Amino acid sequence: GAGVSQSPSNKVTEKGKDVELRCDPISGHTALYWYRQSLGQGLEFLIYFQGNSAPDKSGLPSDRFSAERTGGSVSTLTIQRTQQEDSAVYLCASSLSGGVETQYFGPGTRLLVL
Amino acid sequence: GNSVTQMEGPVTLSEEAFLTINCTYTATGYPSLFWYVQYPGEGLQLLLKATKADDKGSNKGFEATYRKETTSFHLEKGSVQVSDSAVYFCALTLYGGSQGNLIFGKGTKLSVKP
Repeated sequence: GAGVSQSPSNKVTEKGKDVELRCDPISGHTALYWYRQSLGQGLEFLIYFQGNSAPDKSGLPSDRFSAERTGGSVSTLTIQRTQQEDSAVYLCASSLSGGVETQYFGPGTRLLVL
Repeated sequence: GNSVTQMEGPVTLSEEAFLTINCTYTATGYPSLFWYVQYPGEGLQLLLKATKADDKGSNKGFEATYRKETTSFHLEKGSVQVSDSAVYFCALTLYGGSQGNLIFGKGTKLSVKP
């Protein structure tokens, strides 16, 4: 079946602009995660969704970052007023029900802020 | 806090050599432990996991044993192949509830030469 898909695969933007990143999880997976992979920080957890609610937003680095999930499926991660330090690969993962279930990762969106 | 420490790479081996990548963790509670692999140009994928002490995860000739007494989950393979060249990430999640966000180590790049 189809895996986790993310779009766009690459995004170049200017400092100060807003960007939206999209994630389509595996059908039927209730848990969805966003991570960020950068050279300096490695892989960092950003936010977790169970269905449409986000019980854990603890990893969001600032209030410029927000995310939503609609219909228990597609999720968008929005970064407002982008900064150069936001440049990274943003990864989305989904799992059947969270907990210790295997997380399946998408290919990522590579964001470059000039 | 909760964290994962893994040996820094890069690690360069000849084909058929023995591989060990060390991983230790710090966690409150009882974590589940994972090894994820990222092949060149591909997304992160689960290699193996162990959910309780003394469990051994295994896949594709790789093994790791959950050692609570030494808080370790070292990855081993008896005979590596060129196709094993990738970046390997050790990770943990804390069992309890449905969350399960992963805390990753920095990653270890493995290069296997023919």
